[in-house]
Amino acid sequence: EVQLVESGGGLVQPGGSLRLSCAVSGFTFSNYEMNWVRQAPGKGLEWVSYTSSSGTTIYYADSVKGRFTISRDNARISLYLQMNSLRPEDTAVYYCVRESMSYNILTGYHYYMDVWGKGTTVTVSS
Amino acid sequence: EIVMTQSPVTLSVSPGERATLSCRASQSVSSNLAWYQQKPGQAPRLLIYDASTRATGIPARFSGSGSGTEFTLTISSLQSEDFAVYYCQQCNNWPRSFGQGTRLEIK
Repeated sequence: EVQLVESGGGLVQPGGSLRLSCAVSGFTFSNYEMNWVRQAPGKGLEWVSYTSSSGTTIYYADSVKGRFTISRDNARISLYLQMNSLRPEDTAVYYCVRESMSYNILTGYHYYMDVWGKGTTVTVSS
Repeated sequence: EIVMTQSPVTLSVSPGERATLSCRASQSVSSNLAWYQQKPGQAPRLLIYDASTRATGIPARFSGSGSGTEFTLTISSLQSEDFAVYYCQQCNNWPRSFGQGTRLEIK
């Protein structure tokens, strides 16, 4: 069974740090690009960060750039999100999400987020 | 950044009826558009990708259409389990962006 399990969430004071982990099973992790997506309480979805399958290409949302670092360990089959200088507005459920790709001969490559973990809750508050 | 705008914010429909949800992109995203369903307390679930391709295991009553900047998700005959929040997402450019969601509620 394809599964993503996040861990590492919790309560942290503003300015503090947390490291989220995502354990993967059921598919060949090293073949897939991965993302972190978050959802603040009662709000919509916000993409946070992306890493290519090798970890050589990385993107961040402007809201976290310079404070968060995404990484992966293909040998340990895990994805990480190091979060520093946390702010109250970072309070959210953080989802680990697999990105897949398909090819259509007419329209080219298409990307989509097809497997989501259950999420881990991060609360930033004093 | 591409801004995704969904309408309506809330849609009230009776079971068995058709629901039509809209999503507009601030610039063309080609057909790189996905739809997700989220129920309370659960993670989102992929419904549609490539604007019109159903994901594995998604019932045929869900269909997507559109390209460029205008997209539609149609649920042909609403079942009780379909009442949820639906998000569109563009996967054409970085940063990836989601719509604000449409809440589909029972009328």
